[in-house]
Amino acid sequence: QVQLQQWGAGLLKPSETLSLTCTVSGGSFIAYYWNWIRQPPGKGLEWIGEISHSGSTTYNPSLKNRVTISVDTSKNQFSLKLSSVTAADTALYYCARGDFGGFPPPYYYYMDVWGQGTTVTVSS
Amino acid sequence: SSELTQDPAVSVALGQTVRITCQGDSLRSIYASWYQQKPGQAPVLVIYGKNNRPSGIPDRFSGSRSGTTASLTITGTQAEDEADYYCNSRDSSGNHLWVFGGGTKLTVL
Repeated sequence: QVQLQQWGAGLLKPSETLSLTCTVSGGSFIAYYWNWIRQPPGKGLEWIGEISHSGSTTYNPSLKNRVTISVDTSKNQFSLKLSSVTAADTALYYCARGDFGGFPPPYYYYMDVWGQGTTVTVSS
Repeated sequence: SSELTQDPAVSVALGQTVRITCQGDSLRSIYASWYQQKPGQAPVLVIYGKNNRPSGIPDRFSGSRSGTTASLTITGTQAEDEADYYCNSRDSSGNHLWVFGGGTKLTVL
């Protein structure tokens, strides 16, 4: 049973850098996309970005200038850094495993395993 | 376009059938996936691909697609199905972006 366990600082001041890490246990780290998603209080899900086991990244254009996602395959971990945070970055942050299929097309993509979530509050 | 549009809220009587829809240009060529989120919990994948259910998801949940609209259907809705439902897909432009719909709040009457 694959599990994602995430952790990181939950209270930040404006302009600080958010840092979260997600550890993958019970399954393979390769051949998947490793994602970060956030959910502001009372709002919907927003995809932040993803990284492959080889380190290839894709980011949400709305956050691209502030986001860095990295991977440590020796520890089966991937991490999120979001710089220059403001109150608008207050949210519940999730890590999730992404997978895909559909050969031949049409393709499909999905996130089948999620972390427990980490509440991050930005306040002066 | 990378947007996915959902109705904000839908209601259904206990035991009846409800359809939750998700509209977006990318869905013409890529299947949506669907997630159930209950208060205070992480999202749970309920449907992916053409109509695939992960292990443990009841068979009253099903998925379909027509044109640019994906649908999640719950047949014989139970009280425990009351939750927020999100659709999700990749952008079809080749940028490999993921996108979520705004979510649908399902109320079971």
